[in-house]
Amino acid sequence: NAGVTQTPKFQVLKTGQSMTLQCAQDMNHNSMYWYRQDPGMGLRLIYYSASEGTTDKGEVPNGYNVSRLNKREFSLRLESAAPSQTSVYFCASSERGREDYGYTFGSGTRLTVV
Amino acid sequence: AQRVTQPEKLLSVFKGAPVELKCNYSYSGSPELFWYVQYSRQRLQLLLRHISRESIKGFTADLNKGETSFHLKKPFAQEEDSAMYYCALSAPAGGTSYGKLTFGQGTILTVHP
Repeated sequence: NAGVTQTPKFQVLKTGQSMTLQCAQDMNHNSMYWYRQDPGMGLRLIYYSASEGTTDKGEVPNGYNVSRLNKREFSLRLESAAPSQTSVYFCASSERGREDYGYTFGSGTRLTVV
Repeated sequence: AQRVTQPEKLLSVFKGAPVELKCNYSYSGSPELFWYVQYSRQRLQLLLRHISRESIKGFTADLNKGETSFHLKKPFAQEEDSAMYYCALSAPAGGTSYGKLTFGQGTILTVHP
């Protein structure tokens, strides 16, 4: 049971390059999320998808786009990477209403923009 | 606006000592509160939820609505408790933003032998 799988685990980009972070979950969760983790800032929500076919901005959406490809997959795209986007990115999924409700996180993608 | 504050970036204790990680929140209403933990080289995982009133790995957390706090406590810290701890808040079930978590800044706990 893989849970939430993120790829790649590490990436180095040059300023202006684009890339897509992939996330897939196998728990049949409706909701999926992208967070970034920065020292002293905690985790900040970039975008989320409450259910298949819907996406909404979170706290820090600028410079990012997302696609909820299907119920399993939720990708995050950086169209033109900037050094300020150097961070660790976490994907998570959850299912509202469950007694054991809580986020299941991926292992993270460490992105460096030079 | 909802906010979670963890006033301590770093917390060091010795093995066997009590530990308390502080969490204060700002929310209009009755939120759901959580503690998440990230051990070295591992992914973030749920430690406990205030609704469950459970004790996980010896940790407990009591929701104090008057002080808007949800401090995490353990009477006798162990070296394996060393990790990053995040307090998080969600709107209650039925709310429009239910499901989105707002995280605090995190506290790095180090338990010395």
